[in-house]
Amino acid sequence: QLQLQESGPGLVKPSETLSLTCTASGGSISSSTYYWAYIRQPPGKGLEWIGNIYYTGSTFYNPSLKSRVTISVDTSKNQFSLKLTSVTAADTAVYFCVRQISGYFNYWGQGALVTVSS
Amino acid sequence: QSVLTQPPSVSGAPGQRVTISCTGSSSNIGAGYDAHWYQQLPGTAPKLLIYSDNKRPSGVPDRFSGSKSGTSVSLAITGLQAEDEADYYCQSYDSSLTAWVFGGGTKVTVL
Repeated sequence: QLQLQESGPGLVKPSETLSLTCTASGGSISSSTYYWAYIRQPPGKGLEWIGNIYYTGSTFYNPSLKSRVTISVDTSKNQFSLKLTSVTAADTAVYFCVRQISGYFNYWGQGALVTVSS
Repeated sequence: QSVLTQPPSVSGAPGQRVTISCTGSSSNIGAGYDAHWYQQLPGTAPKLLIYSDNKRPSGVPDRFSGSKSGTSVSLAITGLQAEDEADYYCQSYDSSLTAWVFGGGTKVTVL
């Protein structure tokens, strides 16, 4: 059974870079069937797709965040990572790492709350 | 303002049937892109409930069903149970935004 676990700092200062890593267990990041995505949810609000990556390193980003987002993959560690630069309070959210198949998201990590505050 | 429009809330008594609508446009659901539904119980991650308009993943009760008509999709819950109290989100792909997009979410309350 696939498990996804987010890890990273829970507090980031404004203007700095948010960094999260997702570690997969019980399944391989290198599968040709899936993409691996990040989705976020501000407190009390809805879901926003941030971007995704294929095991080859090919990426797709939400145009609204594209200038600030980088998603990378490390197949040797079965991990993929998110970097979001120049964060503001509006980036405070629970960040989920997710497995994507075709156009939908079928496995979700438990989520990691990242607060942007000085 | 979400690209996919859902009612903020719906409610029903135990055993009743409720439906949640999700209205899109010609650049997402109306363009033929599949729609999917997720259930988010309080304090947990979303869980895939319906994929490709009307398919249920293994383990999802057949009380949950999805349908599509034009630029809209709907989620129906029959035989409403207390454990169904959650937030529900629709999701699709939007070709104008070139992004996977979600509805704003609908809170289901069991009276």
